[in-house]
Amino acid sequence: AQSVTQLGSHVSVSEGALVLLRCNYSSSVPPYLFWYVQYPNQGLQLLLKYTTGATLVKGINGFEAEFKKSETSFHLTKPSAHMSDAAEYFCAVSRTKTSYDKVIFGPGTSLSVIP
Amino acid sequence: DTGVSQDPRHKITKRGQNVTFRCDPISEHNRLYWYRQTLGQGPEFLTYFQNEAQLEKSRLLSDRFSAERPKGSFSTLEIQRTEQGDSAMYLCASSLGDRGHSNQPQHFGDGTRLSIL
Repeated sequence: AQSVTQLGSHVSVSEGALVLLRCNYSSSVPPYLFWYVQYPNQGLQLLLKYTTGATLVKGINGFEAEFKKSETSFHLTKPSAHMSDAAEYFCAVSRTKTSYDKVIFGPGTSLSVIP
Repeated sequence: DTGVSQDPRHKITKRGQNVTFRCDPISEHNRLYWYRQTLGQGPEFLTYFQNEAQLEKSRLLSDRFSAERPKGSFSTLEIQRTEQGDSAMYLCASSLGDRGHSNQPQHFGDGTRLSIL
C-alpha cells in the first residue's frame, strides 16, 4: 500500500523567504511522486513530478523538489516566496509500471505568504 | 487544449435527492478519474475509467454512487438519495496512457462543489 504524509498543515513565510514544504511517502514499489497546487475553488495543477532518473526535479513557478530514497522524502522548495504562491499544496504518490495510475494524495499544506 | 471541464460548478440540493455531475476530459485522453475532496483534505480516489471501461472503484464509492463513461469521452457521476456526508468537492481528472506506459500526470478540472441541505 502507498501513503503520503505532509508535515505541517499550515506553513507561513515572509515574501522573499525560502519556501520548504515537507513530504514523506510510503511505497512498497518504486514510486512516482508529484506535487500539485490548488488555488481556492479551483482544481489541482501539476507543479512537478518525479518518475525516474535525476532526483532533483524542477517544476513551474520556480519550484523544485528532491527525491531522497533513503529518507523516503520528496520535499518541495522555492528560493524566494511570492505573494501569488499562497495556496494549498498536495504531495502525491502513484505506482510505477502498472496498467493505470491511481494517485494517492497527502492531506495538503496550506501556504501563506506574509508581505 | 481546453482542459478538463466539469458541470455544474456548484450544486445545492436537499437530502434525499439525486444529483448528477458531468466531466468532459481533454479530448485525446483515454483515462478518466473521479475524486472526492472534503474541506482541509487531499482528494480521495473514487473510480477510474480507461476508455469506456470502469476498471476500479474505491470502497468509498457506495452503492448510491454510480459512474459511467458510455462512449469513452465524457463521464457522469450520479449520487442517489444524497446524505449530509456527501457534501464535498467532486473532482474529475484525465490523462493519456495505456498498459505498460509510464504514468502520465493527471489534469484536473475545477470540480463540482456539492452542498446537501
